[in-house]
Amino acid sequence: GAVVSQHPSRVICKSGTSVKIECRSLDFQATTMFWYRQFPKQSLMLMATSNEGSKATYEQGVEKDKFLINHASLTLSTLTVTSAHPEDSSFYICSAAGQGHGWSEAFFGQGTRLTVV
Amino acid sequence: SQQGEEDPQALSIQEGENATMNCSYKTSINNLQWYRQNSGRGLVHLILIRSNEREKHSGRLRVTLDTSKKSSSLLITASRAADTASYFCGETSGSRLTFGEGTQLTVNP
Repeated sequence: GAVVSQHPSRVICKSGTSVKIECRSLDFQATTMFWYRQFPKQSLMLMATSNEGSKATYEQGVEKDKFLINHASLTLSTLTVTSAHPEDSSFYICSAAGQGHGWSEAFFGQGTRLTVV
Repeated sequence: SQQGEEDPQALSIQEGENATMNCSYKTSINNLQWYRQNSGRGLVHLILIRSNEREKHSGRLRVTLDTSKKSSSLLITASRAADTASYFCGETSGSRLTFGEGTQLTVNP
């Protein structure tokens, strides 16, 4: 299957700082990228869906000013957690779908473990 | 969850046995997909079934879809210890891909 690289895999930051997570599709053009948040032993909660070159569509209850998503190219999307607080600590996962695969088959990054202290 | 329910939430079986997991969904779907997740990792796509299909096979995997009941099942035959993971069904509707609660499968050697 296609490869999606997510970076960093782990990050620890101080409360009040911002953290950027990158998601890259390495061997295909991702027209759609999804960002999820996962708490321990729970399912993935969709945060937002982004299409290349357009604004992300956020799920109900997700603060767009807190979780900034940029999908500036067909191979890169970023999620920035602004003014992070301990309650933002979680596992964040991106996935990408695109040309040649049909958006319905999504490929996932390895996830980012964010700890806010 | 953003989607529906999956059952069982946890399943523990012996190697060689079959494992059946079910999920229900809420909306009209384009297709339904099953993924597995090893602890602390991303998801790996297993199999996709389209809304106009009723059954699909891939190796030791068998997926069924009942659109009248808005439910799907995943059967893993002749399970192996390496099948131990969490399994999620992903519902694609419109431009969204959402997941159910998942089933934690443990296959004991």
